[in-house]
Amino acid sequence: DTAVSQTPKYLVTQMGNDKSIKCEQNLGHDTMYWYKQDSKKFLKIMFSYNNKELIINETVPNRFSPKSPDKAHLNLHINSLELGDSAVYFCASSHVATSRSYEQYFGPGTRLTVT
Amino acid sequence: ELKVEQNPLFLSMQEGKNYTIYCNYSTTSDRLYWYRQDPGKSLESLFVLLSNGAVKQEGRLMASLDTKARLSTLHITAAVHDLSATYFCAVANLLTAGNKLTFGGGTRVLVKP
Repeated sequence: DTAVSQTPKYLVTQMGNDKSIKCEQNLGHDTMYWYKQDSKKFLKIMFSYNNKELIINETVPNRFSPKSPDKAHLNLHINSLELGDSAVYFCASSHVATSRSYEQYFGPGTRLTVT
Repeated sequence: ELKVEQNPLFLSMQEGKNYTIYCNYSTTSDRLYWYRQDPGKSLESLFVLLSNGAVKQEGRLMASLDTKARLSTLHITAAVHDLSATYFCAVANLLTAGNKLTFGGGTRVLVKP
């Protein structure tokens, strides 16, 4: 009964490859997010979707492409992986429509290592 | 651009003593969050502060928000080893759509016996 789940948990791949990370939430939330946490633990938002519509699109390389097939899922596809993409990627979700707190719940993270 | 600064970045605590982590932010906001992260784990929500003067307490942790000073504090009372973790504050940017959170750099807390 995990609230926000991500797959895979670990991803080791070579430079130049294309990979995807999947996220699912069963909280009934309407908004989902992708964050990147670098080696210094700094967390930065990348994208956000509200009801399948992209609403936050930070300055990230266009090799990163999010996709939200429905409110409960948000995937992240990365093309032509580079060494600098190595990080932990967190998915999160929140309820924005009727919640004042907009509290975000985070998934377990996907540790991506590019060699 | 909203900037969020936490200090200290690292805090070595002795068990039984009290400590405070500070979170300053640069633009107007009335939504501030505190998260805890254990090594290799996800972020766990600790507190959500939604108004000026808000104070919330859970166990040995107490968080407060002063929106006029653009400052939140996380106070730890009588530190215990279990509180060793990295603590993040995050601030919602009211000037942008989509509930965008900007995180502070984190405070790594190590409680020594």
